[in-house]
Amino acid sequence: DTAVSQTPKYLVTQMGNDKSIKCEQNLGHDTMYWYKQDSKKFLKIMFSYNNKELIINETVPNRFSPKSPDKAHLNLHINSLELGDSAVYFCASSQEGINTGELFFGEGSRLTVL
Amino acid sequence: AQSVAQPEDQVNVAEGNPLTVKCTYSVSGNPYLFWYVQYPNRGLQFLLKYITGDNLVKGSYGFEAEFNKSQTSFHLKKPSALVSDSALYFCAVRRNTGFQKLVFGTGTRLLVSP
Repeated sequence: DTAVSQTPKYLVTQMGNDKSIKCEQNLGHDTMYWYKQDSKKFLKIMFSYNNKELIINETVPNRFSPKSPDKAHLNLHINSLELGDSAVYFCASSQEGINTGELFFGEGSRLTVL
Repeated sequence: AQSVAQPEDQVNVAEGNPLTVKCTYSVSGNPYLFWYVQYPNRGLQFLLKYITGDNLVKGSYGFEAEFNKSQTSFHLKKPSALVSDSALYFCAVRRNTGFQKLVFGTGTRLLVSP
């Protein structure tokens, strides 16, 4: 069983389109994240949710909107896609407490904007 | 704000030799420190962490790291490198209070030659 699963794995789309990436974790964790990894492999946090509440919201264009319907799911919707949005987007989850900081990552969703 | 520096883009080592991947950090207060590894086209995997206690922490696959508060460093080490250790390694830091974001370094590519 995959612990943190993201769909789709690959996404190729045109500028100006709207797209979504879905994430689900079956680890029972209470915190989920979206990270963006650019072409130079720099990894930057975008959002974090704890029990469906937004707790971290970095300086991200408001074209990006996360949604957490329950604590096992965190989706990312992107409006009006731009060339600079091309990247690999990673979902992750963690459990605060004894395992603080141990993030479990999905396999990534590679977004290419043409 | 917290930050991490990984001064080497790439580290080359021969199989069987010891390896060191360097990391220094900046954070107000006491840090939580982590190492993650990323294989090609995969998500990041947790290797080890320092939260408190013994400065030498041991992790997965024979890796260890030493927390040095005076030098604000957390270098990753392994006594004998394997070709299969070749990957991208990320150091990360967060503050030790409340919900804090995990900030990653820029990554160091480890290349172990046969």
